[in-house]
Amino acid sequence: EPEVTQTPSHQVTQMGQEVILRCVPISNHLYFYWYRQILGQKVEFLVSFYNNEISEKSEIFDDQFSVERPDGSNFTLKIRSTKLEDSAMYFCASSVWARNTEAFFGQGTRLTVV
Amino acid sequence: AQSVTQLDSQVPVFEEAPVELRCNYSSSVSVYLFWYVQYPNQGLQLLLKYLSGSTLVKGINGFEAEFNKSQTSFHLRKPSVHISDTAEYFCAVKGGSEKLVFGKGTKLTVNP
Repeated sequence: EPEVTQTPSHQVTQMGQEVILRCVPISNHLYFYWYRQILGQKVEFLVSFYNNEISEKSEIFDDQFSVERPDGSNFTLKIRSTKLEDSAMYFCASSVWARNTEAFFGQGTRLTVV
Repeated sequence: AQSVTQLDSQVPVFEEAPVELRCNYSSSVSVYLFWYVQYPNQGLQLLLKYLSGSTLVKGINGFEAEFNKSQTSFHLRKPSVHISDTAEYFCAVKGGSEKLVFGKGTKLTVNP
């Protein structure tokens, strides 16, 4: 069964460093997403991506964040200069269409900023 | 904007007992509704969805949910739970945009 895969599963980084989280969405899906879950809090939407551009983003997704689809399979989230409060589980998701379909989630990357 | 309220943060039940996990939402537009499950140290797995049609939807692992538009609810039910159903369950809504809005989650613990 097709699935969304994320690497790495766990990343520890020092405050101020750049990190790149990687995702391989399901191959025939057109919409890609990043969500995050800070420990003990809700899963929050960060950004959606369609046709090689951001289609929607939340207030959390500020200039420190960027997304890219560098080739036909990968979808990445870059955090330019990490802060302690960026520590969270980051989920990548993909869907065939935008609204009336379900999103399939990856296993997540646990980011710890020290 | 949409919001989701999961009224119970933790629900303990005994094995083979029925369970209902409650979810209410608010939205000024029509919505699509989802339940996701997160087993320990795993990602989010889709349990079931309501997109249109019959208001009673069936999902994996014997779960079902009923969309009630007048009460803006989408409660999740299972008639007889197993130890393996121990997990965190998230209700989510998609309204006038592409993003999913999640509730805070309900931790279901099934005891022997």
